[in-house]
Amino acid sequence: QQQVKQSPQSLIVQKGGISIINCAYENTAFDYFPWYQQFPGKGPALLIAIRPDVSEKKEGRFTISFNKSAKQFSLHIMDSQPGDSATYFCAALSGNTPLVFGKGTRLSVIA
Amino acid sequence: DGGITQSPKYLFRKEGQNVTLSCEQNLNHDAMYWYRQDPGQGLRLIYYSQIVNDFQKGDIAEGYSVSREKKESFPLTVTSAQKNPTAFYLCASRGQRAEENEKLFFGSGTQLSVL
Repeated sequence: QQQVKQSPQSLIVQKGGISIINCAYENTAFDYFPWYQQFPGKGPALLIAIRPDVSEKKEGRFTISFNKSAKQFSLHIMDSQPGDSATYFCAALSGNTPLVFGKGTRLSVIA
Repeated sequence: DGGITQSPKYLFRKEGQNVTLSCEQNLNHDAMYWYRQDPGQGLRLIYYSQIVNDFQKGDIAEGYSVSREKKESFPLTVTSAQKNPTAFYLCASRGQRAEENEKLFFGSGTQLSVL
């Protein structure tokens, strides 16, 4: 049973373009939605996170959009750069339970 | 320098052999986790521990064992019962204080391969 569904599995974007990754969840008890960024051979690191009481959060070129009624949230990377090429994971959390991760999106930004 | 240290970076297992992956943290976190990463499968939870001397099975615990004798350490043993152990293994920890209890800190991982 996959509690967080992430798409697409892979994404190729031109330098300077917008990268968009989508996630959907089922459990309405989730109250924290982070995105993690992972470079090859490294552990994931927290990129940005949002709570369901806001519809959008922006940090630099990275924005999370959150739709509570649709139970969906997405990551937008503006002005995508080759250095953004990585695997991105969405996740969801409820209280003290372990984070539930999506299956990941492999982003390649080409010049 | 606070963080999570995983060792070794690369590990090879012979058939029928048990191997142990090390995970040490100096963040004073109560909760620790082990994830397995396979291409296209995301991060799957193997075991987790919320407190010393206590741990729970995750989604794919079969063929693995853990211990939590010290707050700082959460070693993972891949037993011979795990028939497909080749994967990237990630250890993580999480604090209990309000300002950090949602953020998961990861180590740099151990790549396990079968000889």
